[in-house]
Amino acid sequence: AQSVSQHNHHVILSEAASLELGCNYSYGGTVNLFWYVQYPGQHLQLLLKYFSGDPLVKGIKGFEAEFIKSKFSFNLRKPSVQWSDTAEYFCAVNGGYSSASKIIFGSGTRLSIRP
Amino acid sequence: DAGVIQSPRHEVTEMGQEVTLRCKPISGHDYLFWYRQTMMRGLELLIYFNNNVPIDDSGMPEDRFSAKMPNASFSTLKIQPSEPRDSAVYFCASSLIPGNEQFFGPGTRLTVL
Repeated sequence: AQSVSQHNHHVILSEAASLELGCNYSYGGTVNLFWYVQYPGQHLQLLLKYFSGDPLVKGIKGFEAEFIKSKFSFNLRKPSVQWSDTAEYFCAVNGGYSSASKIIFGSGTRLSIRP
Repeated sequence: DAGVIQSPRHEVTEMGQEVTLRCKPISGHDYLFWYRQTMMRGLELLIYFNNNVPIDDSGMPEDRFSAKMPNASFSTLKIQPSEPRDSAVYFCASSLIPGNEQFFGPGTRLTVL
């Protein structure tokens, strides 16, 4: 079965610091990969997604993620965070015939930005 | 498009009462998903539908939970009887293409006293 691991449960950064959130998945076949963001009190919104092609994916609000197939990773990055990036970030994966319609979400990483 | 619509946004009820959560997916989206989010368990998929038919309900915690989708524009998640441990935020999401982006509703915050 697929699984998604987000090893950082809570990350605290100062404004302008660089950000990298780790995500690893377990499925070995073709995958679709996603990063979602949930701002305090709001619903999940898509930040970016990878289906195929260039493994470096650019999303909204200056976020990007790199798909490294050999490492089963899809880490999220941002060169300079802002206070408004305070949120919870979820990595998610879809893959495999048996769960073709489902997206499996990681446990989330809470990001706190100090002004 | 108005996006995924959920009602009510907040629900406070007493243990043993029946609770019904409602969801209207984005028009044209054939896939509808119900999730539960808690601090302890994170985001859990409860059930999903394709073309109004339940496809996978393996995440439904127990028989007290049931979900229906009588037509393409409406789904309900019912808890009967409710218990305090059901307190959570329940999200509905829909998608156009299987395995592609899911669009989430604002959620229903359920508190069972």
